[in-house]
Amino acid sequence: GAGVSQTPSNKVTEKGKYVELRCDPISGHTALYWYRQSLGQGPEFLIYFQGTGAADDSGLPNDRFFAVRPEGSVSTLKIQRTERGDSAVYLCASSLAPGGLAGGSTGELFFGEGSRLTVL
Amino acid sequence: AQKITQTQPGMFVQEKEAVTLDCTYDTSDPSYGLFWYKQPSSGEMIFLIYQGSYDQQNATEGRYSLNFQKARKSANLVISASQLGDSAMYFCAMRIINDYKLSFGAGTTVTVRA
Repeated sequence: GAGVSQTPSNKVTEKGKYVELRCDPISGHTALYWYRQSLGQGPEFLIYFQGTGAADDSGLPNDRFFAVRPEGSVSTLKIQRTERGDSAVYLCASSLAPGGLAGGSTGELFFGEGSRLTVL
Repeated sequence: AQKITQTQPGMFVQEKEAVTLDCTYDTSDPSYGLFWYKQPSSGEMIFLIYQGSYDQQNATEGRYSLNFQKARKSANLVISASQLGDSAMYFCAMRIINDYKLSFGAGTTVTVRA
């Protein structure tokens, strides 16, 4: 499809395990974002990539969380030693414009359907 | 830092009626954009409408319109002629110009009754 693709859609794991969540953005979108959404809440920013580099990882809650985007397209969010509090939906989004609302572009983010992580 | 406030956790609306979802925001930056997203039970965030801080007119997209009151820092979404398929969670979001981070409110759940 032409949209943002996230896998797996659902992941159930045990406390202490390692998890990888994958995001395949819309082709040509240089900006990629990870957000985390807890039940009944709005999405919270985790990390932003412009190309291959993480331009802003200030939203990552601690050093158990890490994300990569080695070729500037697909990104993987990695969570080590998972905890029950990590349970949430992890949303990936991409956009053409990393910032700036000029030039007729709203710079809106296009989201995937998310990866629901449950840590038992 | 930007802050988005949505004070209505849930709303019920009768089919074919209009509903207004409140959103207020706080920023010291004069240049920003406001967004509304719809999130149905499937989980995907669907972009609905955008309003720039310098736009002179309120944005409209089909049955969606944005009641933008800059002085009050509010950007309420109006959904006209509600349909059953409009039942979803709705998020207001903001980004300042030349920034990349989109900040979201807590959302409002809309339930359309037949």
